[in-house]
Amino acid sequence: AQSVTQLGSHVSVSEGALVLLRCNYSSSVPPYLFWYVQYPNQGLQLLLKYTSAATLVKGINGFEAEFKKSETSFHLTKPSAHMSDAAEYFCAVTENTGNQFYFGTGTSLTVIP
Amino acid sequence: EAQVTQNPRYLITVTGKKLTVTCSQNMNHEYMSWYRQDPGLGLRQIYYSMNVEVTDKGDVPEGYKVSRKEKRNFPLILESPSPNQTSLYFCASSLRSRGLGYTFGSGTRLTVV
Repeated sequence: AQSVTQLGSHVSVSEGALVLLRCNYSSSVPPYLFWYVQYPNQGLQLLLKYTSAATLVKGINGFEAEFKKSETSFHLTKPSAHMSDAAEYFCAVTENTGNQFYFGTGTSLTVIP
Repeated sequence: EAQVTQNPRYLITVTGKKLTVTCSQNMNHEYMSWYRQDPGLGLRQIYYSMNVEVTDKGDVPEGYKVSRKEKRNFPLILESPSPNQTSLYFCASSLRSRGLGYTFGSGTRLTVV
């Protein structure tokens, strides 16, 4: 089975600073990778996805992620944090047939004014 | 509006009293899935369905049942709930292709006392 590891369950950044949320995956075949965001008391929303096209993927709200096969990573970045970015972020990967998604344990992002 | 609708949003019940959490999607998605979210564990898949009358176990199916009699509905059934099933539950759906990602419902917070 595939798996996802998110390093750092809590990340704090100052408003305007770079956001970097880390995600590493394990997979024996090229994966499909996703980042989701969860705001308080809401479901998860898709931020962006990698589906074997361009390795640098741009998503909503100014976020982007880069697929690095050699490092088995799919880190999420945003150049300048905004207060509204405070949320829980989940990295996910699908297995071969696409029947099951595997989610990381999540990273809670705090933005300090 | 394209959405996944779960009901109820909040539920408190007693041990052993059968309950059903409903899930409905209006996007004609073939694939539907149930997850539970617990602190520090991320999202874990309970059951999924590839199409009508086709369901399969995820990672944590014990104590749960599902059915898929219609394409739009995918109810989660707890025949005899126990306190360890206290959790936040999410229903999600996707078009057939695994590369498109999920649309999530708003969640059901279940407490079993």
